[in-house]
Amino acid sequence: AQSVAQPEDQVNVAEGNPLTVKCTYSVSGNPYLFWYVQYPNRGLQFLLKYITGDNLVKGSYGFEAEFNKSQTSFHLKKPSALVSDSALYFCAVRDGFSGGYNKLIFGAGTRLAVHP
Amino acid sequence: DVKVTQSSRYLVKRTGEKVFLECVQDMDHENMFWYRQDPGLGLRLIYFSYDVKMKEKGDIPEGYSVSREKKERFSLILESASTNQTSMYLCASSLPRAAGNTIYFGEGSWLTVV
Repeated sequence: AQSVAQPEDQVNVAEGNPLTVKCTYSVSGNPYLFWYVQYPNRGLQFLLKYITGDNLVKGSYGFEAEFNKSQTSFHLKKPSALVSDSALYFCAVRDGFSGGYNKLIFGAGTRLAVHP
Repeated sequence: DVKVTQSSRYLVKRTGEKVFLECVQDMDHENMFWYRQDPGLGLRLIYFSYDVKMKEKGDIPEGYSVSREKKERFSLILESASTNQTSMYLCASSLPRAAGNTIYFGEGSWLTVV
């Protein structure tokens, strides 16, 4: 079965420090991986995705993610955190068994708190 | 930019009421989705539609139905609302299956059933 795990409910980082939000996945075929961010009382905003090619993917707001096939991970990173990065982050994987339909399976989410 | 609009952001309904949540997208996307978001559970798929009048059950369809009469509009219906359906509901849309087409989300509808 396809699944996504975000092992940390919350990540705390000081402003200016690098941040990492972890994600591991399980799929049968090649994974299509996504990161979304949700600010309070808002919908999900797309940050970045990995489909194929370079293992380091760059996205919106200075975020990037590294695909590691051997570790089945897709960790989200940013070199220097901002207080405004504080939000809920979701990792998602494309379900390869959804036939012709572009379904995503989501992790439970990780709350990022960046302190001044 | 893709725009997915959920007309009702905050609703309070009584147990047993029939509830309609409306969603409109402006990018001519074939696929539309309804997710439910609950703390600690992430997003769970209720229903999705891959074309007008076509629908497929997601992971938690019980207690819900959907309607897609026009390509741009996808409605979620709670036939008889119950308190355990109090949640945040998210509508989304995307192009059809292709190498990782991005799914775009609306702002969400907070539903409280009392």
